[in-house]
Amino acid sequence: AQSVTQLGSHVSVSEGALVLLRCNYSSSVPPYLFWYVQYPNQGLQLLLKYTSAATLVKGINGFEAEFKKSETSFHLTKPSAHMSDAAEYFCAVSESGKLIFGQGTTLQVKP
Amino acid sequence: DSGVTQTPKHLITATGQRVTLRCSPRSGDLSVYWYQQSLDQGLQFLIQYYNGEERAKGNILERFSAQQFPDLHSELNLSSLELGDSALYFCASSVLDRGGNTIYFGEGSWLTVV
Repeated sequence: AQSVTQLGSHVSVSEGALVLLRCNYSSSVPPYLFWYVQYPNQGLQLLLKYTSAATLVKGINGFEAEFKKSETSFHLTKPSAHMSDAAEYFCAVSESGKLIFGQGTTLQVKP
Repeated sequence: DSGVTQTPKHLITATGQRVTLRCSPRSGDLSVYWYQQSLDQGLQFLIQYYNGEERAKGNILERFSAQQFPDLHSELNLSSLELGDSALYFCASSVLDRGGNTIYFGEGSWLTVV
């Protein structure tokens, strides 16, 4: 079975600082990996996905993630945090078409 | 707006009761997924349907059942409800059912069991 582990349930950054949210995966086959964001009282919105076309994936709202097979990682980054980025972020791996999610990381952005 | 519609948005019911959550997938999507989100369990995959047929089952309790109708909408039935069933239930849809598919989520149905 495939799985993802998100390191750090809460991450706090200052506005304008680098955002780094960590995700490691476990998969016996080349994985399809996703990052979703959940704003308060809303559903999940796709930020970006990796499907083996390119190791550096650019998503919406200035986010990007890099697939590193040697480290089994798919960390999410954004160069400069905005207050509006405060939300919960989920890393997920596709298994037979369905998504297996990590436990989520809550991003707090301080003014 | 993802295009996935879920009703009701909020539901409060008593223990032992039965409720039905409804989902309309995005136009053209054949695959429907149900997920449960709770504080202690996180986001758990419950069940998937593809073009009317059950495709995959996850951590779905025997008290829960689902189906996908010919018009592709889906319903999740929760019976003999317990306090622990209080959660946010998401429906999601995608065009196909294979890896790499983009899966779109609805805004969820909040279920509170009292």
